[in-house]
Amino acid sequence: NAGVTQTPKFQVLKTGQSMTLQCAQDMNHNSMYWYRQDPGMGLRLIYYSASEGTTDKGEVPNGYNVSRLNKREFSLRLESAAPSQTSVYFCASSEVDSTLGYTFGSGTRLTVV
Amino acid sequence: QKEVEQNSGPLSVPEGAIASLNCTYSDRGSQSFFWYRQYSGKSPELIMSIYSNGDKEDGRFTAQLNKASQYVSLLIRDSQPSDSATYLCASMNYGGSQGNLIFGKGTKLSVKP
Repeated sequence: NAGVTQTPKFQVLKTGQSMTLQCAQDMNHNSMYWYRQDPGMGLRLIYYSASEGTTDKGEVPNGYNVSRLNKREFSLRLESAAPSQTSVYFCASSEVDSTLGYTFGSGTRLTVV
Repeated sequence: QKEVEQNSGPLSVPEGAIASLNCTYSDRGSQSFFWYRQYSGKSPELIMSIYSNGDKEDGRFTAQLNKASQYVSLLIRDSQPSDSATYLCASMNYGGSQGNLIFGKGTKLSVKP
């Protein structure tokens, strides 16, 4: 039972390059989320998907796009990476109206130079 | 702006002591509250959830909720060096178009042997 799996774990990009962060969950959860975590800023929601086929912006969506490919997979794309997007990215999943909180993936540490 | 506030610490306690972590939230519609533990370089993991006023105990951990004061706390009894981590408080409002967790920035706890 893998839970929430993120790939890659580490990535270095040059300014202007694009990349996609992958996330998959095997818990049959309906809702999935992308957060970024920066020192002193805590966890900030980028985008979320309440259910398959829907996506919505969170607190800090600029510079990102998402795709809910199916119930299991939720990807985050950086079209033109900027140094300000250097961060640790976490994917999470939950049931809708979850009283059990979220389950997080292990994170992707992204550096944009 | 819905916010969850925590003292960033660091909070330092000796081994065997009680560690007390506190959190306040601004959204009166919040219905569920969660404490996550995050070790350095790792993802957040859920340790406690609480929905009703009062205390909830789970092993060495006790969560306390006071909705009138918009206050949540986590007590860790018999603190161990392995409890040294950052503790994230989060609130959830299930109403409206999104039921997303709002995280505080975390309190860093250091348990000294």
